[in-house]
Amino acid sequence: GAGVSQSPSNKVTEKGKDVELRCDPISGHTALYWYRQRLGQGLEFLIYFQGNSAPDKSGLPSDRFSAERTGESVSTLTIQRTQQEDSAVYLCASSLGWASNQPQHFGDGTRLSIL
Amino acid sequence: GQNIDQPTEMTATEGAIVQINCTYQTSGFNGLFWYQQHAGEAPTFLSYNVLDGLEEKGRFSSFLSRSKGYSYLLLKELQMKDSASYLCAVSRSGYALNFGKGTSLLVTP
Repeated sequence: GAGVSQSPSNKVTEKGKDVELRCDPISGHTALYWYRQRLGQGLEFLIYFQGNSAPDKSGLPSDRFSAERTGESVSTLTIQRTQQEDSAVYLCASSLGWASNQPQHFGDGTRLSIL
Repeated sequence: GQNIDQPTEMTATEGAIVQINCTYQTSGFNGLFWYQQHAGEAPTFLSYNVLDGLEEKGRFSSFLSRSKGYSYLLLKELQMKDSASYLCAVSRSGYALNFGKGTSLLVTP
C-alpha cells in the first residue's frame, strides 16, 4: 500500500504479558518514529530510527519498552510485562529523511488495551 | 522543557471561519506542524511553518510568530467533514515532534 501500515489494529491482553507491535513504513522513507497517544493526551515521542544510525531511544518510558528496525523497512515495538498504564494507541510514522521540514506520515495505530 | 497549549474544544458553524490557536515554549525550535486527526484514524499533515508569517493552502492557512511563541490554524468555509482534532506540534531537534493535546473541532449545521 501507499501509506504506513500498522498491525494489529487492536490488541487486548492481560497484564504481565508481552506484546509486539509492527510498523511497515512508506517505501523509500528512511526515518521511522514511534509515538504513544494516551486518552486525552497529546502524542508522546517514544523512539526514532534513521537509516543505519543508532536509534534515538530517549522517549522510551521504561526498560520494558524496546524497538527494532531492519534496515529501512519494518519496525517492531515490544512491550514486556505489560501494565495497565501501557494502554494507549501506539502510532508509527515515517518520513523521507530527518530534516525538520519533512512531514511525518502516520499509520492508523494499534489500540492496545491491558486488562 | 516543553509546553504546547491549545484549546481543548471548539465549535463552529458550517460555512464559517474558525481560528485554532497554539502557544509554545520550547528549548529549541525547528518548525511547527499542524495535523488533522479524525477519530480512530491517523493524523494527516496539514501545514508546516518555520519562518514568521502566513502560509496559505486552499481553505487552510497557518500563521507563525516565533518571537511570541504563537501559531494559529485558520479554516475557512467550514465543512462538516472538518470536524476532527487539530494537533499542533513543534519540531525541536529536527525529527522528534512534541505535540499539544489537540483541539477537538465540532462543525455544526
